[in-house]
Formats: sequence, structure tokens, C-alpha cells
Amino acid sequence: EVQLVESGGGLVQPGRSLRLSCAASGFTFDDYAMHWVRQAPGKGLEWVSGISWNSGSIGYADSVKGRFTISRDNAKNSLYLQMNSLRAEDTALYYCAKDITYYYGSGSYYTVWGQGTLVTVSS
Amino acid sequence: QSVLTQPPSASGTPGQRVTISCSGSSSNIGSNTVNWYQQLPGTAPKLLIYSNNQRPSGVPDRFSGSKSGTSASLAISGLQSEDEADYYCAAWDDSLNGRYVFGTGTKVTVL
Repeated sequence: EVQLVESGGGLVQPGRSLRLSCAASGFTFDDYAMHWVRQAPGKGLEWVSGISWNSGSIGYADSVKGRFTISRDNAKNSLYLQMNSLRAEDTALYYCAKDITYYYGSGSYYTVWGQGTLVTVSS
Repeated sequence: QSVLTQPPSASGTPGQRVTISCSGSSSNIGSNTVNWYQQLPGTAPKLLIYSNNQRPSGVPDRFSGSKSGTSASLAISGLQSEDEADYYCAAWDDSLNGRYVFGTGTKVTVL
């Protein structure tokens, strides 16, 4: 069974850091680009970041550029999101999502989603 | 933040046809394919339509997608109670070094 399981969320103070992880199983992880998508409470979906199969191509939403870093470890079938300088507006459910192809870009769409991990930024 | 505009809500009675619009621009819908996701209450999004009008295996054929110019539409024919959910369009956007953009979302209510 193809599965994505996120972890690492929690309550954190503004300005602090948090690292999210996504464990993949049931498919050949290094054949696919991966993404993080978030959803603030009661709000819509927002793409956060994407990474190609070999980490050669990476992108970020303007709202997180310079503060968040996406990475992957293909040997461990894992995706990560390092979040620094967190703000209240980063409060959201963070989803890990599998792309249809090895690169991220035009033609991308997400065939598998995790259940999400909740990040709450508050003092 | 969202660059794809959808109506906030849509509704219909069981068996009716409901259509959701998604308006974008030349840098996203105008030059890339459109995908649609369904999010049932309390669950993760699920791919509903890809490449403008293709249905993944397991998605009922009462769901259909179309695209024209810088706009796209999702149609649900023969509306069922289990279709009550949030629906999001999405596409790659070529501006600002490239990014994936979602629509504002539409809540479909089955009356």
C-alpha cells in the first residue's frame, strides 16, 4: 500500500524552529518528486515547497522562501521540511504529497497525500 | 494568496448537475494543465481530475473536467450526498520562478 506519514508537528513559539518529516512506503521513493502543502485552520490549500527526485530542483512559495528548507533522503525514503523563524501565519496542517513524476513543475499533480501534521505557532 | 479564483460555494439536490468554475491567467491555466482535488470533511485532499479532464482509477464518471483559455470547470452530474466536500482546482504557474497554485476552494453542499 502506498503511504505517506508525516510527523514532527507541535506547538512552537514565534521565531523558533521545527523540523517536519514524511516517511514514504509502498513505492519507489526516488522515482518521484515530493511536495509540502499546508492548510491553515478553516482555510484553503497552499503549496509550500517541492523537490525533484534527486534534489536537483527545489522551489518554495514566496511566503516561506528564506525561512523553510526542503530536503529528502532517498536511502531512508524520507522527506523533510526545516522551518525556521516561524510566524503565527505558519500555523497550519502540513501535508506531504507525492508527485506523478520525477521532476516538479509543469504537469505536476499529486496522486498520494499523507494525513498531515499540525503546526501551531503561538506564544 | 490564491491566484486561481473559484466561487466559495455551490449546491444542488441529489441527482442534479453542479458546475464549479476556476479562473486563472495566461501564466497558469492558460499555459498548463489543470487538476482538481476533492477534500471530504476532516480528511486529506484526494486527486479527482488530472490533465484537465482525466479521471484517476476509481473516480466515478459523474465527475468531469474541462478547460478553455484561462478558465477551467469541474462538473458533477447526478449529485450524491457523498459528494458534499470542498473542491480545489490547481495548476502550475510559470511566474515567479515557478510554483504550484491552488484555487480558493468551493464548498459543495447537497441539499
